[in-house]
Amino acid sequence: AQSVTQLDSQVPVFEEAPVELRCNYSSSVSVYLFWYVQYPNQGLQLLLKYLSGSTLVESINGFEAEFNKSQTSFHLRKPSVHISDTAEYFCAVYGNQFYFGTGTSLTVIP
Amino acid sequence: DAGITQSPRHKVTETGTPVTLRCHQTENHRYMYWYRQDPGHGLRLIHYSYGVKDTDKGEVSDGYSVSRSKTEDFLLTLESATSSQTSVYFCAISEQNEAFFGQGTRLTVV
Repeated sequence: AQSVTQLDSQVPVFEEAPVELRCNYSSSVSVYLFWYVQYPNQGLQLLLKYLSGSTLVESINGFEAEFNKSQTSFHLRKPSVHISDTAEYFCAVYGNQFYFGTGTSLTVIP
Repeated sequence: DAGITQSPRHKVTETGTPVTLRCHQTENHRYMYWYRQDPGHGLRLIHYSYGVKDTDKGEVSDGYSVSRSKTEDFLLTLESATSSQTSVYFCAISEQNEAFFGQGTRLTVV
């Protein structure tokens, strides 16, 4: 069985500051790892994913995540956040089905 | 955007009444999922399907049933709605390495 733990339920950060959203997973099999973003009153959208290959993956809007197998982590980072990054972020793993974390609410403060 | 349509988008119903939510896809994806989203719990899997007439339970399946008579449609039924089933329900589809989500259905049981 797989599981996902998002260590922070809420993360406030000032605009243009860096941010890290933490995600740890457990699995007895190889998994795919994902970050999804949910803007208010919308469904979830894929932000980035790790399937294989390079352990550092990037999104088109400046987020990146690094797969760390030894620490079973897949933390999401951005060096400089914008107001528009305010959203709920979900980490997920796929082994035989999708498992989601409880989400991290990122609030960017002007 | 992936072709996923959830209906209705909003519904208010009374305790004890049956309710059916519909998820329709145009992507011909094999896997379909129903999740509920509640504050502090993230996304929890209710039921999923891996093909026509092939379904299985998720972690919060009590009080819910599903049916998939066609590849494109996945129905979620609350046999007798309770206030604890007030939630936002999301349908998702996948072909293993990515999940696509619908816009959600906000269900209120009064």
